[in-house]
Amino acid sequence: DAGITQSPRHKVTETGTPVTLRCHQTENHRYMYWYRQDPGHGLRLIHYSYGVKDTDKGEVSDGYSVSRSKTEDFLLTLESATSSQTSVYFCAISESKGTGAYFGAGTRLSVL
Amino acid sequence: QKEVEQDPGPLSVPEGAIVSLNCTYSNSAFQYFMWYRQYSRKGPELLMYTYSSGNKEDGRFTAQVDKSSKYISLFIRDSQPSDSATYLCAIEAGANNLFFGTGTRLTVIP
Repeated sequence: DAGITQSPRHKVTETGTPVTLRCHQTENHRYMYWYRQDPGHGLRLIHYSYGVKDTDKGEVSDGYSVSRSKTEDFLLTLESATSSQTSVYFCAISESKGTGAYFGAGTRLSVL
Repeated sequence: QKEVEQDPGPLSVPEGAIVSLNCTYSNSAFQYFMWYRQYSRKGPELLMYTYSSGNKEDGRFTAQVDKSSKYISLFIRDSQPSDSATYLCAIEAGANNLFFGTGTRLTVIP
């Protein structure tokens, strides 16, 4: 998975609890992304980062926050998890424009 | 209107067939196009990326972009059972933001 590690790989949590997902890369790529994948919607961008401490919102950012304090780590936080945030979350990295992104193995999150 | 639309299939073909997978997109300004393959319960894997119009070939895979029609295609020659997966088209729309199709599930029958 192109030097990308996501943790945890699986998580079950309860509504209202905070959850943090971690993405770690060893490729030194500048751009990092968090996507969620749901049936019928495909992959949708939550947040992305174009450098340390430089982040921006994606298509479905409500209820999520991110942080990037080091090049290699990109954290996604669900401040207060809801059942609608049950999904598969993918981290991706990209080196430059137009070359596509490389994805991690994903985190399956269930919010009960 | 979605940035990119993809026929979800499913698509079943016999081994050895030529497979054609297609997407349409909405904005003629888009210039970077990608195809991903995703096996069940795995992350998407980048297959090919192309810039602007024309064809790009990589082994049994050919990516084609027709900007006049806003249409992108992926052709798989001599399809194999190992090609059975979901194929996702993607378009880069500035700031390294990728918009994905919903994917076409392909099954190659031995």
